[in-house]
Amino acid sequence: DAGVTQSPTHLIKTRGQQVTLRCSPKSGHDTVSWYQQALGQGPQFIFQYYEEEERQRGNFPDRFSGHQFPNYSSELNVNALLLGDSALYLCASSLAALGGTDTQYFGPGTRLTVL
Amino acid sequence: QKEVEQNSGPLSVPEGAIASLNCTYSDRGSQSFFWYRQYSGKSPELIMFIYSNGDKEDGRFTAQLNKASQYVSLLIRDSQPSDSATYLCAVKTREYGNKLVFGAGTILRVKS
Repeated sequence: DAGVTQSPTHLIKTRGQQVTLRCSPKSGHDTVSWYQQALGQGPQFIFQYYEEEERQRGNFPDRFSGHQFPNYSSELNVNALLLGDSALYLCASSLAALGGTDTQYFGPGTRLTVL
Repeated sequence: QKEVEQNSGPLSVPEGAIASLNCTYSDRGSQSFFWYRQYSGKSPELIMFIYSNGDKEDGRFTAQLNKASQYVSLLIRDSQPSDSATYLCAVKTREYGNKLVFGAGTILRVKS
């Protein structure tokens, strides 16, 4: 049973650049959520995708955008990178049919460093 | 007031002891409660979830939920050095929809 996968593992960018992170959900899951985790903090919700649409969004600027593909995989794009965007980016997958009881399983994360 | 609060620790317990991790939340409409374990440099790993008041046991782990007091806890029995990690409490609420709201985590150190 394939778990959640993310790529790349690590990424180094400079301020002002753009980055794309990728995620494939756990087999059988149809919903992908993205979180940002700064050092020493809990993960912060960025947005969630279901049926190829953004279902819910957290308090992140429009520089953060995403996409979900028909195979349920997802991308997170960040434009005009700032030093403060340096963090661990986590993808979590779940099954929408479970509603409020759905459980989110995390991928290994992408460590983004902005210089 | 933070939505989900945890004592940052570190909480130090000797090997074989019971570790008790606590979490409080502000939204009375909260429905689902999750505990994740995160080793340094790794991603969060789901340990347990609980939806109803009372206790839920899974092996050495017991989750306890008290909605009246807005309090959820995780007990780890027979703590092992491999349990040393950061434990994240997460809550899902009607108001916040599908997202998980996390506490900052409690660092647990089990000393052999």
